[in-house]
Amino acid sequence: GAVVSQHPSRVICKSGTSVKIECRSLDFQATTMFWYRQFPKQSLMLMATSNEGSKATYEQGVEKDKFLINHASLTLSTLTVTSAHPEDSSFYICSARDQSALSSGANVLTFGAGSRLTVL
Amino acid sequence: AQSVTQLGSHVSVSEGALVLLRCNYSSSVPPYLFWYVQYPNQGLQLLLKYTSAATLVKGINGFEAEFKKSETSFHLTKPSAHMSDAAEYFCAVSGEAGTALIFGKGTTLSVSS
Repeated sequence: GAVVSQHPSRVICKSGTSVKIECRSLDFQATTMFWYRQFPKQSLMLMATSNEGSKATYEQGVEKDKFLINHASLTLSTLTVTSAHPEDSSFYICSARDQSALSSGANVLTFGAGSRLTVL
Repeated sequence: AQSVTQLGSHVSVSEGALVLLRCNYSSSVPPYLFWYVQYPNQGLQLLLKYTSAATLVKGINGFEAEFKKSETSFHLTKPSAHMSDAAEYFCAVSGEAGTALIFGKGTTLSVSS
C-alpha cells in the first residue's frame, strides 16, 4: 500500500533556529500534500496545502513566513519552521494525496507518522 | 464547508463491552467520512472510510460505522472491546475525494479489564 515517510520523527532545537521536516511519498506520486499541526491532547489542525510546483495555500491564521513549505518534486514536500520558539513545539503530520487512487477507489490520502518538534 | 463534532471527549468501557464512539458531521455537499486511530506519539491509522457506497462500512480490527444521512451521523462501533483498542480516535470529513480532511476533536477510548 501507499507509504508516506516523515523525517525526522523527533527533533529538539534551540530557540531562534530553523528546522526542516520532510514528507516523502515512497511509492506514489503526490501532487498535493497537506500539513497538519497537533498540540498535545488535541486534534489535528490543517496548516496548509502543498502543491507541487506552485506556492502553498495556507489556512487562516497560519504565518506563511514562519512555516515555509516547499513542494519541489512529486514525492517530496518540506516544512521549515523558521526562527522557532517554544510555542512552535508541536506534533507535525503530513498527508499525501495519491491521485491515481481516485479512480481505483483505493485510499487517496496517506498520513505520515508525524514529527515531534521540541523547541527549548 | 465541512465540520465534525465528536460527542464525548473520553469514553471508558470494560474489556468485552460494546464500543460506541459518536460523530456528527456537517457538510454542504455529500461528505466523505473517515475514522482514524492514533496511539501515543504515533501517526494516524485509517480504520474505515465512507465514500458514498454502502452506508454500513466495515473497517479493520473489528470496527464498523454506519452513515446515517437523516441524522448526519457516522458513529463508530465495535461489538467487543480489547485492551489494545485503548487509543485516541478521530472522526474526519472532506467534501471531495482527495481534499484536506477536517478532523473532530477526538475521543479517548479507555478499556479496563
